[in-house]
Amino acid sequence: GQQVMQIPQYQHVQEGEDFTTYCNSSTTLSNIQWYKQRPGGHPVFLIQLVKSGEVKKQKRLTFQFGEAKKNSSLHITATQTTDVGTYFCAPFTGTASKLTFGTGTRLQVTL
Amino acid sequence: GAGVSQSPRYKVAKRGQDVALRCDPISGHVSLFWYQQALGQGPEFLTYFQNEAQLDKSGLPSDRFFAERPEGSVSTLKIQRTQQEDSAVYLCASSLVSRDTEAFFGQGTRLTVV
Repeated sequence: GQQVMQIPQYQHVQEGEDFTTYCNSSTTLSNIQWYKQRPGGHPVFLIQLVKSGEVKKQKRLTFQFGEAKKNSSLHITATQTTDVGTYFCAPFTGTASKLTFGTGTRLQVTL
Repeated sequence: GAGVSQSPRYKVAKRGQDVALRCDPISGHVSLFWYQQALGQGPEFLTYFQNEAQLDKSGLPSDRFFAERPEGSVSTLKIQRTQQEDSAVYLCASSLVSRDTEAFFGQGTRLTVV
């Protein structure tokens, strides 16, 4: 099936800088989840977005669902070394229950 | 158990051998997913169960791959006649229902085919 693209593929920031990853779909999504995978670890659920234009915050992380429900973003303010990992969006379309992942954005944070 | 458990954690197989990977989901979780993750890549969907029913197996790369969940709890992913390209981490995840609930992942099984 068609993969949802995430950009950038990789980003290297200095600690304290902000970071944003974007998830783009060519089709309208019903909802979207975000996961984080640390190096050597397994994906861990972060958030789920359902409503058009929805914005959710978790401490330094801000998640947004586009008005047209075709894209989503994750913004991290003032990155820390603990933010290192790969961030995946997991989009759902229609009534499908299959959990699939976007291409992922790998974040590297250095002091 | 407290989380999703996968065994073995590591498996080395000679090319041509059959392997069986086990997943113990969180008790009561209806949905169970299997993924294949190659080094440096994201998890690629293999198959999905709702209870004992295999609703989607579109991601299984060949007929050498087979998954089952006979009683709606423990699942086994079997790979027959392993090939070097099967080397990857195999992840299992479970969720309470499906699309609207978070998925919990196991630690994965790292399969190396030599």
